Amino acid sequence: DQQVKQNSPSLSVQEGRISILNCDYTNSMFDYFLWYKKYPAEGPTFLISISSIKDKNEDGRFTVFLNKSAKHLSLHIVPSQPGDSAVYFCAASRYGQNFVFGPGTRLSVLP
Amino acid sequence: ETGVTQSPTHLIKTRGQQVTLRCSSQSGHNTVSWYQQALGQGPQFIFQYYREEENGRGNFPPRFSGLQFPNYSSELNVNALELDDSALYLCASSLDRLGLDEQYFGPGTRLTVT
Repeated sequence: DQQVKQNSPSLSVQEGRISILNCDYTNSMFDYFLWYKKYPAEGPTFLISISSIKDKNEDGRFTVFLNKSAKHLSLHIVPSQPGDSAVYFCAASRYGQNFVFGPGTRLSVLP
Repeated sequence: ETGVTQSPTHLIKTRGQQVTLRCSSQSGHNTVSWYQQALGQGPQFIFQYYREEENGRGNFPPRFSGLQFPNYSSELNVNALELDDSALYLCASSLDRLGLDEQYFGPGTRLTVT
């Protein structure tokens, strides 16, 4: 039973355009969400987070949107750069504990 | 400031054996979490240690156990290895046991059980 889903295993985007990565969750008790980026042979690195009291959080080129009623969050990367090519995981938790990760989306940014 | 390190990088074990994986936290971090990442899946939470005490556990059997030492480094022990235990094992350290602070991941240990 997957509590956090990322239904697109892969995504290709042209350099300079917007990348939109989606994530759905089933547990309405989740109140804190994060996005991680993972390059091959490295551990995941934290990108951006959002708590359930907000519906948007921005950090430079990265913006996370949270739609609690739809139990959906998305990560927007604008503009996309070739260095953004990686696997992106969303993760959800209650009170910041016992994070549940999605299966990941592989983003390829084409030059 | 050194990052999170894990050893060994790769390991091959036989079904039924026992294995110990090691993790050194980022300097100053008192919380360590362990994750199992099977091929094509996201990391799955195994357990977390805060100041040498277990502080939360995921849906893993008791043959998965851990330790955290006074210097906050940590070990993951798996007994009676099964083929399905083959995965990348990640540890992550943080300053805050609530996980609201950023977790820093190590590069992982790839375990293969034959």
